[in-house]
Amino acid sequence: SQQGEEDPQALSIQEGENATMNCSYKTSINNLQWYRQNSGRGLVHLILIRSNEREKHSGRLRVTLDTSKKSSSLLITASRAADTASYFCATDGGGGSNYKLTFGKGTLLTVNP
Amino acid sequence: NAGVTQTPKFQVLKTGQSMTLQCAQDMNHEYMSWYRQDPGMGLRLIHYSVGAGITDQGEVPNGYNVSRSTTEDFPLRLLSAAPSQTSVYFCASSSTPGPPPDTFGSGTRLTVV
Repeated sequence: SQQGEEDPQALSIQEGENATMNCSYKTSINNLQWYRQNSGRGLVHLILIRSNEREKHSGRLRVTLDTSKKSSSLLITASRAADTASYFCATDGGGGSNYKLTFGKGTLLTVNP
Repeated sequence: NAGVTQTPKFQVLKTGQSMTLQCAQDMNHEYMSWYRQDPGMGLRLIHYSVGAGITDQGEVPNGYNVSRSTTEDFPLRLLSAAPSQTSVYFCASSSTPGPPPDTFGSGTRLTVV
């Protein structure tokens, strides 16, 4: 079964706007990652947030983690057409099983120029 | 530095045929893994390896075999292909044994007819 579930499934915005994607998961985790996948390409690792962290920034990306709600959000500020891609959250199992990543189904982000 | 290289990029098999998907990395990463990506399902872990000579099963291992005789290579073998194995396969590696994969290959699109 899928551990992470992204919301919304699809998001369409205008260039310059902010995009927020959410991820919920079911069991305890060690880390949560966000990945980007351009159409027909492999995944690109964006950012990792550990279970004891609440917020992390990387360039135009801001990730939050709320372990009490078992949820995370990815904010992309000042979006660009090149940000058009699918975005996936992925969690490791926690409890020592941090080799096994479980992915959500992804959010398809379209940034219109 | 080529990163993670997967071959072939595309493959069509007949039901019952066997084949090996190749994965090689030149970054001296200890941790390697195979995922399959199906429409609307996100990525699912098939098998993974934490070092040469060590492999373990992921979420969906049935119908697949792996071996890790060297640090660089992690081939995935389909024993007797079935239409249900039609998917896009991604190989990934990680720079440390702990955190999950940070480098993905570009994928192999497999169709079983």
